[in-house]
Amino acid sequence: SQQGEEDPQALSIQEGENATMNCSYKTSINNLQWYRQNSGRGLVHLILIRSNEREKHSGRLRVTLDTSKKSSSLLITASRAADTASYFCATDALYAAGNKLTFGGGTRVLVKP
Amino acid sequence: DAGVTQSPTHLIKTRGQQVTLRCSPKSGHDTVSWYQQALGQGPQFIFQYYEEEERQRGNFPDRFSGHQFPNYSSELNVNALLLGDSALYLCASSWDSRGGYTFGSGTRLTVV
Repeated sequence: SQQGEEDPQALSIQEGENATMNCSYKTSINNLQWYRQNSGRGLVHLILIRSNEREKHSGRLRVTLDTSKKSSSLLITASRAADTASYFCATDALYAAGNKLTFGGGTRVLVKP
Repeated sequence: DAGVTQSPTHLIKTRGQQVTLRCSPKSGHDTVSWYQQALGQGPQFIFQYYEEEERQRGNFPDRFSGHQFPNYSSELNVNALLLGDSALYLCASSWDSRGGYTFGSGTRLTVV
């Protein structure tokens, strides 16, 4: 089963606008990660936020984490056509042996030129 | 510095056959995880290998098995293929269990 659930499932915006997507999860986590996937190929790691962090920035990306609400958001500012992709949140829960990522269903973002 | 390399890129198999997918992790990474991604869905964790042993396993049947070699590369084997096994299979490597993962481009498996 998928722990993370992204909202919205799809998003269409104009180039230059901001894109915001949200992720909710169910269990305690070690960290939460966001990935981008173009055209059903490999995932690209965007940003990682640890459970003791509340906000993190990387270039045009801003991620927030609210562990009390078990939710996270990803903001892409000043979007570009190249940002068109599917975005996934993934929670990382550290187990006694090893760890695994649990992904949500993703948000499909279309940035129109 | 090469990232994660997966082979083959695409594969078509017949129901009931067996398949082996291969993954070479990013240089310096010693942990390899495998994920299955059905069309339109998020990746699902299959298993993770570290020091040549399966360390974590997701909710997949025993038809899915794997191996990690001393050079950290890994194989995913699927026996008795079903139509539902058609998916993109992703390999991810890492060196820090609390860090981000590097994913390969995946192997697109089609079972007919």
